[in-house]
Amino acid sequence: QSVLTQSPSASATPGQRVTISCSGSSSNIGSNTVNWYQQLPGTAPKLLIYSNNQRPSGVPARFSGSKSGTSASLAISETQSEDEADYYCAAWDDRLRGYVFGSGTPVIVL
Amino acid sequence: EEQLVESGGGLVQPGGSLRLSCVASGFTDSSNYWSWVRQAPGKGLEWVSLVFTSGTSHYAGSVRGRFTVSRDKSKNTLYLQMDSLRVEDSAIYYCGRDCTGSTCYPALGHWGQGIGVYVSS
Repeated sequence: QSVLTQSPSASATPGQRVTISCSGSSSNIGSNTVNWYQQLPGTAPKLLIYSNNQRPSGVPARFSGSKSGTSASLAISETQSEDEADYYCAAWDDRLRGYVFGSGTPVIVL
Repeated sequence: EEQLVESGGGLVQPGGSLRLSCVASGFTDSSNYWSWVRQAPGKGLEWVSLVFTSGTSHYAGSVRGRFTVSRDKSKNTLYLQMDSLRVEDSAIYYCGRDCTGSTCYPALGHWGQGIGVYVSS
């Protein structure tokens, strides 16, 4: 059972917008920043969003993140076929004194 | 080219030990912390441990007391000593750090390709 709860799955046709939610608590999302990772099939995870809404160099602008209270979300505007992957939110948890990942959300591009 | 390459995985019996290594190459390390993350077959990501350059380390509850993380800066290598292994420790183990290129993030910005650990009798 993951500490952070994510949408179980998401799907979109190319060009559509898709949003993934991540719910936590006061000890993790509520008091620390949220990061998002993308894991393409058969590959290692890749940092997609850090500090709630910042994109590392090279990450397309169609990816955006936001946070409010103890929840966060990742949005993909104008979804492309290469965005089909698993997406994970993550944050430091002050109570557990560790880094916690969400349950993961597979995004399917129809 | 910056690379993180894990090694040391394999098949081990329950109760056995393994030591994973993660060798860094192609960059001058300016990282603040390094971490291990694992992924069981068909499952999501699970954080395992983290070590700061100061030497302070943290562990997930599921491995605390059994796993030990360490780093040898002179060898550009991160280690994970895994003792008293259980079947549920079977997973792909990834090493990661906060920096990639000249940029450091408050997150795991650079990952290795992963190494498999299989615990079975």
